Amino acid sequence: GENVEQHPSTLSVQEGDSAVIKCTYSDSASNYFPWYKQELGKGPQLIIDIRSNVGEKKDQRIAVTLNKTAKHFSLHITETQPEDSAVYFCAAIHPNRDDKIIFGKGTRLHILP
Amino acid sequence: DAGVTQSPTHLIKTRGQQVTLRCSPKSGHDTVSWYQQALGQGPQFIFQYYEEEERQRGNFPDRFSGHQFPNYSSELNVNALLLGDSALYLCASSRVAGGTEAFFGQGTRLTVV
Repeated sequence: GENVEQHPSTLSVQEGDSAVIKCTYSDSASNYFPWYKQELGKGPQLIIDIRSNVGEKKDQRIAVTLNKTAKHFSLHITETQPEDSAVYFCAAIHPNRDDKIIFGKGTRLHILP
Repeated sequence: DAGVTQSPTHLIKTRGQQVTLRCSPKSGHDTVSWYQQALGQGPQFIFQYYEEEERQRGNFPDRFSGHQFPNYSSELNVNALLLGDSALYLCASSRVAGGTEAFFGQGTRLTVV
């Protein structure tokens, strides 16, 4: 089955700097890749997603890139702010296993003042 | 729109007992999925319900069962609780057909003592 690896497990960046989180997936048939942000005591919140027919997608300070050949996808957060501190999860979904989300293990992002 | 709501928010049970968790999906959503999130880990897929039937199941024992009602709400039941069942249980709702955006509830924190 699908397996999603996520790195790093912890990331500390200075406020205003950029943060990058990287993921790889194993099943080349997966075609939808959401990213979730989870704050303490809350459920995961979708922040951006990308489908396999697109190489890059941007939404204000957040961007995601996808390399289908290498089965890599990354989350980029620019101009980081204190409210970006949270746990971020990458995920993959296979088209024939509708909506079964396979999550990475998460990255705890600390924004340093 | 209240989004996905789960109840209760916290629960303490004794080993061997049974527990029922509840989920109301986001308005307009007809599919409910349940996930188990152990501390420091990504959510793990338990099962998914659509049209009151279990459509997919992850690698969880039969002690985990569920139900979906005609109004699309859902229950997760766990029998013969083990200490290892202690986790955050998340409900996600979506519309049928793969790859659609899933919305998560805030979760139920289950502690087994």
